[in-house]
Amino acid sequence: EAQVTQNPRYLITVTGKKLTVTCSQNMNHEYMSWYRQDPGLGLRQIYYSMNVEVTDKGDVPEGYKVSRKEKRNFPLILESPSPNQTSLYFCASSLSRRGTYRGYTFGSGTRLTVV
Amino acid sequence: GEDVEQSLFLSVREGDSSVINCTYTDSSSTYLYWYKQEPGAGLQLLTYIFSNMDMKQDQRLTVLLNKKDKHLSLRIADTQTGDSAIYFCAESSGAYSGYSTLTFGKGTMLLVSP
Repeated sequence: EAQVTQNPRYLITVTGKKLTVTCSQNMNHEYMSWYRQDPGLGLRQIYYSMNVEVTDKGDVPEGYKVSRKEKRNFPLILESPSPNQTSLYFCASSLSRRGTYRGYTFGSGTRLTVV
Repeated sequence: GEDVEQSLFLSVREGDSSVINCTYTDSSSTYLYWYKQEPGAGLQLLTYIFSNMDMKQDQRLTVLLNKKDKHLSLRIADTQTGDSAIYFCAESSGAYSGYSTLTFGKGTMLLVSP
């Protein structure tokens, strides 16, 4: 089944403890992206990647890192999480950044709580 | 930059029609999309419309596009309680720039009451 898989689904952590949220897609998509979703703010893009070893900042990149060593994987790294990074995170992928008629395929989300 | 606006909330009764509206600013949009997010889930592509179309119908869903006014709407006929969700409008902007992206609205929460 074509899908984007995020792990974990739920995570509670403490301030300052490094964490990684994994994202993997099995559709050979070139474009991958991370979003955070907060009430009243909709979806905000954190980072995106046009292809292997090509990444760029989105609208809210502060406090996050990403890497794209393989086409299928695009992990999101929080080196020193803070409570304002408590949010619902989504990974998405697409054949291209423009999305084509298929749009983006989204993962099921990771609910992160930083205490 | 590009912007997509939606009303935040819509409440309807089961069996009625729902109409969710969206406006956008980028006149070069190639595709416009409607996504559905059910509670605790990710966003699922519901339907899309190509920018040279005025209307698209898919079972209970009707998408209307007014390019002149940059207005997109999603009509759900015979709305069911299972349609309760957040609906996101999105546009594929900057079609000719090579650096385009999908821009999402903030989402409309549709609440369907029995």
